[in-house]
Order: sequence, then structure tokens, then C-alpha cells
Amino acid sequence: NAGVTQTPKFQVLKTGQSMTLQCAQDMNHEYMSWYRQDPGMGLRLIHYSVGAGITDQGEVPNGYNVSRSTTEDFPLRLLSAAPSQTSVYFCASTRGEAAYEQYFGPGTRLTVT
Amino acid sequence: TQLLEQSPQFLSIQEGENLTVYCNSSSVFSSLQWYRQEPGEGPVLLVTVVTGGEVKKLKRLTFQFGDARKDSSLHITAAQPGDTGLYLCAVPRGSNYKLTFGKGTLLTVNP
Repeated sequence: NAGVTQTPKFQVLKTGQSMTLQCAQDMNHEYMSWYRQDPGMGLRLIHYSVGAGITDQGEVPNGYNVSRSTTEDFPLRLLSAAPSQTSVYFCASTRGEAAYEQYFGPGTRLTVT
Repeated sequence: TQLLEQSPQFLSIQEGENLTVYCNSSSVFSSLQWYRQEPGEGPVLLVTVVTGGEVKKLKRLTFQFGDARKDSSLHITAAQPGDTGLYLCAVPRGSNYKLTFGKGTLLTVNP
């Protein structure tokens, strides 16, 4: 059971480039989320999804797009990378609305130069 | 204003010592979770508390939810180097699958 997987582990982009951070879970969880973690800021919610075909914005959505075509996958797209998007990105999934455990992936460390 | 205030921000202690870290807010929550994050990894859930005054124990870790459900504490007895990590508290934002995190307490336990 792999849980939540994220690729790549590390990435360096130049300003203006685009890329997709991949996230997949094999636990059949309905709910998936993307967070970014910055020093002194904690974890902040970017986008989330309550099921295939349904997504919504979190606390810091600007500059990011998401889609959810399957239950398993929830990619995060950076349309035009900016240095302010340098961060560690975590994908998480959970099985329901109750106070269930959120399972986090190992993270993607992104540097934008 | 930060919804969740965690203190202290940093804590460095010797193996065998006891410690308490705090998660405080002026808001009332339906539940509160504690996560531990080790370097280079994602957070891992330690406990969820849902009832005011609730106390939960996980081996040497004791978690308490305040009577008014506005704050929580994590007490570690006889800390070990394996307890080293970032301790995060988190609460639901309207729905339990959207969490707001505190900034965390970075704990270092020296052998």
C-alpha cells in the first residue's frame, strides 16, 4: 500500500516556466488537498477536491490550477512560475468529512530562480 | 492574525527531560489534530481530540484539549532523540478535510 505519492521530489524552474506536480493516492479517498509549506508561515491550503470533477480554492490559490479527473490523481499546475512559489508542496488525502486522518505525501521541494 | 498560536517556536532539550508545547486560539473548534513532521517528510497524524477537557495518551505523549475547545497541549515525558521533529496543531476550516495549521514547534532532543 503506497499511500500518497508525489513526483518529482525536487524541481528547479526558471521564472515563467510551467510545470505540473503529480499526486496520487491508492486508498480510494474522496478528499484530496494541496498545501505549501514555507519557513515561518506553516502549511497553507492551496486547492482541494471533494471528489472527481470537483475542485475549489483554498487560502492561497493564485498562480496554481488543479483538476481531478479520477479519484486517484490530483495534479497541481504552475502556469508561470514565480520566485514567490519557491516552497515545499504537500499533497494530502482523507476519506471523509469527519475528523479523519489526513495522509500526506513526502512533498516536492520547488525552487524558482 | 494567526488563527492558531503555537509555543514555543523552538525547543532544544536533553534526552530524558519532560516538555510541554501549546496550541492556543481565541476561537472554538469542533476538533483539533496534532501532527509530527520529520525532516524531508510529510506530517503524520498523532492524535485527534474532539471533546472539551479530553485527554489522550500515546505512549509517552499526553494530549489535552481545553475545556472550552480553544486550546490544546502536548506533553512528552522522558523525551528521546526519536521525538525530534516539527509538531503541528491543526483545526478544520469549515469542513474537516480543509485544515488550518499552526506554525509549529520545532523540537530537538539531544542525546
